[in-house]
Amino acid sequence: EAGVAQSPRYKIIEKRQSVAFWCNPISGHATLYWYQQILGQGPKLLIQFQNNGVVDDSQLPKDRFSAERLKGVDSTLKIQPAKLEDSAVYLCASRVQGSGSPLHFGNGTRLTVT
Amino acid sequence: AQTVTQSQPEMSVQEAETVTLSCTYDTSENNYYLFWYKQPPSRQMILVIRQEAYKQQNATENRFSVNFQKAAKSFSLKISDSQLGDTAMYFCAFRGFGNEKLTFGTGTRLTIIP
Repeated sequence: EAGVAQSPRYKIIEKRQSVAFWCNPISGHATLYWYQQILGQGPKLLIQFQNNGVVDDSQLPKDRFSAERLKGVDSTLKIQPAKLEDSAVYLCASRVQGSGSPLHFGNGTRLTVT
Repeated sequence: AQTVTQSQPEMSVQEAETVTLSCTYDTSENNYYLFWYKQPPSRQMILVIRQEAYKQQNATENRFSVNFQKAAKSFSLKISDSQLGDTAMYFCAFRGFGNEKLTFGTGTRLTIIP
């Protein structure tokens, strides 16, 4: 089975610029997550989708972050405008429905804001 | 809200030895899931082992086993016969039953010394 695909692998931008990350989950996985992992910390959930609907976006800074999953498959996460503190690894994960099923993660995108 | 605490920021052990990583959590729920994930330098989060809270038997996966103490809200990971490839960040994570959100600890950096 193909894993969770993310791109780009790395991105460097200046503050106040915009950036977008893409995620393709494992086929058949209805639930998709975006996590932010700041250096030295554990991942923090930004947003969770069930098919193309948002389940939890309580920790998403909505003034600058947005995410969509229009067809219930691929997802994009956007930051506009970026701040220095947005420098982090952005991880996408997916899983099948079923309370015990584990999350499968992609390799992440490392964002550096200068 | 659930919290996950990993009190050992870094650990190191000689190859072939046994090492135990600690994790405690706080929840008011009775049914939930606990996970250990490994994150090597490639950044991909890899599931190591999973424990269902309603199961009294500790989970094992080859060289990896857990000591799950529900009353103490403790979930430690034991790695036996440690190998160089075990060098990575290890994250403990909690998910409530019926709750899709996965909450991570801050991680333990494990180094296996040749």
